[in-house]
Amino acid sequence: EVQLVESGGGLVKPGGSLRLSCAASGFTLSTYSMNWVRQAPGKGLEWVSSISSSSIYIYYADSVKGRFTISRDNAKNSLFLQMNSLRAEDTAVYYCVGTIDYWGQGTLVTVSS
Amino acid sequence: AIQMTQSPSSLSASVGDRVTIICRTSQAIRYDLAWFQQKPGKAPKLLIYAASTLQSGVPSRFSGSGSGTDFTLTISGLQPEDFATYYCLQDYNYPWTFGQGTKVEIK
Repeated sequence: EVQLVESGGGLVKPGGSLRLSCAASGFTLSTYSMNWVRQAPGKGLEWVSSISSSSIYIYYADSVKGRFTISRDNAKNSLFLQMNSLRAEDTAVYYCVGTIDYWGQGTLVTVSS
Repeated sequence: AIQMTQSPSSLSASVGDRVTIICRTSQAIRYDLAWFQQKPGKAPKLLIYAASTLQSGVPSRFSGSGSGTDFTLTISGLQPEDFATYYCLQDYNYPWTFGQGTKVEIK
């Protein structure tokens, strides 16, 4: 059974940093492009970032470009999102997504003073 | 970025009804559109990809159609477990963009 489990969310002050992790099991992460998608409380889905299987191609939403960095460790079957200079509008549940098929349960990031 | 216009934003329907949700894109995206179902507090679930291909395990009452700029999700014979919010997603190019969502409620 495929499982994607996010961790690293929490409460952080504006301007702070967090690093999200996504651990994959039952799923060979190295063969798939991976993505982060977020959902602000009571709002719709927003694509955040994508990374190709070999990390050659990386894309970011304009709203996070220059502040967030996506990376992966295929040997450890893991995906990461380093989030710097966090803003209140980054408050959301962050989902790890394998291609478009596989979704984690999400981790909540709250940016508030 | 490709703009997505999803309609309606909400609808009320009864069990057994046929429901249609529309997604229009600001430019042609071939067949590169997916549909998701999301229930409160849960992650989205992929229903349809490549505009009309049913994801494994998804009931056949769900169907998708369209190409280019106009796409439709149809639920033929709404079931109690189908009351949820539905989103379209274009993965034709980056940035990926989602529709605004359609909340399907019980009449």
